[in-house]
Amino acid sequence: DIQMTQSPSSLSASVGDRVTITCQASQAIKQYVNWFQQKPGRPPKLLIYGASILETGVPSRFSGGGSGTHFTLTISSLQPEDTAEYHCQQYDNLPYNFGQGTKVEIK
Amino acid sequence: QLLQSGAEVRKPGASVKVSCKASASTFKISDINWVRQAPGQGLEWMGWMNPDSGRSGFARKFQGRVFTSTNTSISTAYLEVHNLRSDDTAVYFCLTSAFGDWGQGTPVTVSS
Repeated sequence: DIQMTQSPSSLSASVGDRVTITCQASQAIKQYVNWFQQKPGRPPKLLIYGASILETGVPSRFSGGGSGTHFTLTISSLQPEDTAEYHCQQYDNLPYNFGQGTKVEIK
Repeated sequence: QLLQSGAEVRKPGASVKVSCKASASTFKISDINWVRQAPGQGLEWMGWMNPDSGRSGFARKFQGRVFTSTNTSISTAYLEVHNLRSDDTAVYFCLTSAFGDWGQGTPVTVSS
């Protein structure tokens, strides 16, 4: 099984800061990575698929990058509504494992 | 687009069946995935199913204890978990194969 190691587990940043979350895959997965945003009591929302393709309607301050084993989710200018938990997921091979999640808070 | 059944409470050793109703068009073209989230924990992918063929696949830890089925006449998929344990307490989500559409989640509590 492919393991996804996500870091950090939590972060606190100020409004307007640039924030980056990282996911490391245990083996190469080309660009088959999703990024999700989840707010309390809600199902996850797909932000990015194919490692870097923004889902329709997602603000352009979100971007994804990477290929192979190293992937990033970047929020270019953190906004109060970005307070949430973020999850990466690989969909190259079954099982489609997720990372452990990153809680993002506003300072 | 995906509407799940309501919260369930079961005792250890019991079974639970969660339903996921999709639109007819979604049911025709998309596999259904199942993901769960234990309280305060991350997301755990459980398995997938194809409503048309009935084919399915599960993560190794769920094989033999988790099963899926469908009622195509009402565009509904089902997830059954047998021999429930306390660590099966979680919110169970159904979602489409492109991971873009999720049900609202079904809380399942396993407690004696």
